[in-house]
Amino acid sequence: KAGVTQTPRYLIKTRGQQVTLSCSPISGHRSVSWYQQTPGQGLQFLFEYFSETQRNKGNFPGRFSGRQFSNSRSEMNVSTLELGDSALYLCASSLETGGYNTEAFFGQGTRLTVV
Amino acid sequence: KQEVTQIPAALSVPEGENLVLNCSFTDSAIYNLQWFRQDPGKGLTSLLLIQSSQREQTSGRLNASLDKSSGRSTLYIAASQPGDSATYLCAVRRAYSGGGADGLTFGKGTHLIIQP
Repeated sequence: KAGVTQTPRYLIKTRGQQVTLSCSPISGHRSVSWYQQTPGQGLQFLFEYFSETQRNKGNFPGRFSGRQFSNSRSEMNVSTLELGDSALYLCASSLETGGYNTEAFFGQGTRLTVV
Repeated sequence: KQEVTQIPAALSVPEGENLVLNCSFTDSAIYNLQWFRQDPGKGLTSLLLIQSSQREQTSGRLNASLDKSSGRSTLYIAASQPGDSATYLCAVRRAYSGGGADGLTFGKGTHLIIQP
């Protein structure tokens, strides 16, 4: 069974540009969450999608957005990139057929560098 | 707001030792607690998931305990090996009082080095 797949693995963008990252969850998983990891702040929750609806949102500005498609694949978008957006962006998927208590599995991440 | 603290921040021990990593959280209203390991530049690998109603979980040389009332969890690694060297992260999923849950809240991790 394939794990969580994130594309691309590495990305370099210029300040002011926008970027779209993609996440394909484990087959059958309906919940997809996104996290940002930086050396200073550690891992921080961005948002979670379940059945194409945003279920939760962390404390990030509106420049960070996401969506989920009917096949559970998810994308996150960051507009007007800032240098501080440089980070490892991680996606996690969970089965969650009946609640919030199932195991989260993470992808390898997308390393975004803003110059 | 849920806060997760991991102690120690770094640990270096000789191969073969048993060791304990600690995790504490401020809000005991959780769905579950999960331990992960992260190798440099890589994603997270799930080690153990403990539901809020459980006291411990075991997988191979790993044993994790949960004391929800005191807001603490420990990860016990038996007979450590150089391949165990990684950063270990603890994360909790907070439950909302009216139903629903937050995303995972992570600690800053324990950077573990096992000396051959």
